Amino acid sequence: DQQVKQNSPSLSVQEGRISILNCDYTNSMFDYFLWYKKYPAEGPTFLISISSIKDKNEDGRFTVFLNKSAKHLSLHIVPSQPGDSAVYFCAASDGSNFNKFYFGSGTKLNVKP
Amino acid sequence: EPEVTQTPSHQVTQMGQEVILRCVPISNHLYFYWYRQILGQKVEFLVSFYNNEISEKSEIFDDQFSVERPDGSNFTLKIRSTKLEDSAMYFCASSDPGEGRYNEQFFGPGTRLTVL
Repeated sequence: DQQVKQNSPSLSVQEGRISILNCDYTNSMFDYFLWYKKYPAEGPTFLISISSIKDKNEDGRFTVFLNKSAKHLSLHIVPSQPGDSAVYFCAASDGSNFNKFYFGSGTKLNVKP
Repeated sequence: EPEVTQTPSHQVTQMGQEVILRCVPISNHLYFYWYRQILGQKVEFLVSFYNNEISEKSEIFDDQFSVERPDGSNFTLKIRSTKLEDSAMYFCASSDPGEGRYNEQFFGPGTRLTVL
């Protein structure tokens, strides 16, 4: 039951360049999306969110884009920094239960100095 | 900054034994959750808890699982008879209803459960 998919298990980017992490979903009822960042030995930390009424949300170096027709969202980090190296999870929720989120399998980002 | 804490950080148990994983959510939060992540796989929702009862549970959360808020601060996950496939990282999370419809969930550092 892979309602949220992150097809790239890993991504390597040079410091200062843009990191683009992708996420696809299958449930058209999903209307709220989040990105979490996870360092080793720590729990996921909320990064940024977007609701389906928007197609873009920006917070500093982080921007999330939502393409509802393609059921696709992406997280852009620019410029990338070595401290951004972590596993990034996207998560989605539908209107039936705003407290239940479906997570993707994560993408491990490595930002090289 | 308030945070969710979990104990123990690592639990090793024999198959068939009962384990209790403990969590202390952020104090003013009202919604509590358990997730698990099997090594190399996605984070999976197990259960949400509000107003002293389960509000949502996944198909993973079968009769061998139970949750409890025994006092005003702790939130526990009990696995009655552990199986090898229960080996995973278990994350507790909590959230504040706030004014919005959706609530950012704050996660604890996780408990690694190893079933031998």
